[in-house]
Amino acid sequence: AQSVTQLGSHVSVSEGALVLLRCNYSSSVPPYLFWYVQYPNQGLQLLLKYTSAATLVKGINGFEAEFKKSETSFHLTKPSAHMSDAAEYFCAGGTGTASKLTFGTGTRLQVTL
Amino acid sequence: DAGITQSPRHKVTETGTPVTLRCHQTENHRYMYWYRQDPGHGLRLIHYSYGVKDTDKGEVSDGYSVSRSKTEDFLLTLESATSSQTSVYFCAIKGDGHNSPLHFGNGTRLTVT
Repeated sequence: AQSVTQLGSHVSVSEGALVLLRCNYSSSVPPYLFWYVQYPNQGLQLLLKYTSAATLVKGINGFEAEFKKSETSFHLTKPSAHMSDAAEYFCAGGTGTASKLTFGTGTRLQVTL
Repeated sequence: DAGITQSPRHKVTETGTPVTLRCHQTENHRYMYWYRQDPGHGLRLIHYSYGVKDTDKGEVSDGYSVSRSKTEDFLLTLESATSSQTSVYFCAIKGDGHNSPLHFGNGTRLTVT
């Protein structure tokens, strides 16, 4: 069964600094992986998805993630944080038809001046 | 936003009362899901549907039932609400493609007193 682990429930960065949010997966078959963002009192919005076409995936708002099979990782990065990036971020994974996704426990990103 | 509407947006109910949450979509997608979101747990799948009258359990299905009599509507029922079911409930939909992402509604905040 697919499982997803997000390391760090809270991450704080300064505005303009690199954002790195960590996600590791466990799967015996190639996974489908997603990053979602949730702003307060809203549903989850898709940031990006990995579907084996390319290991480096670019998403919205300047975010990208790199799939590393050797490390079973799919970490989310952004070169320069903006105040508007403050939100909760979820990694999710599935296998097969990806009809059921497993979500990580989320990482809350704080951006300080 | 994908055409997903959850109702009600907020509800307060008493322990032991039945509660039904509604999810309505206008995308004609086959897959529909109910998740609950709780601090420290991320999103956990309650039930999902892969077609009219076709449903299956998720990882936290105890105390919940669902029905899907039409493609566009997916109902979640708490037969006898308990305080442990106080949570934010999200509906999601997904297209048929194997790498199609989930699209989420804005959630229903349920408080059981």
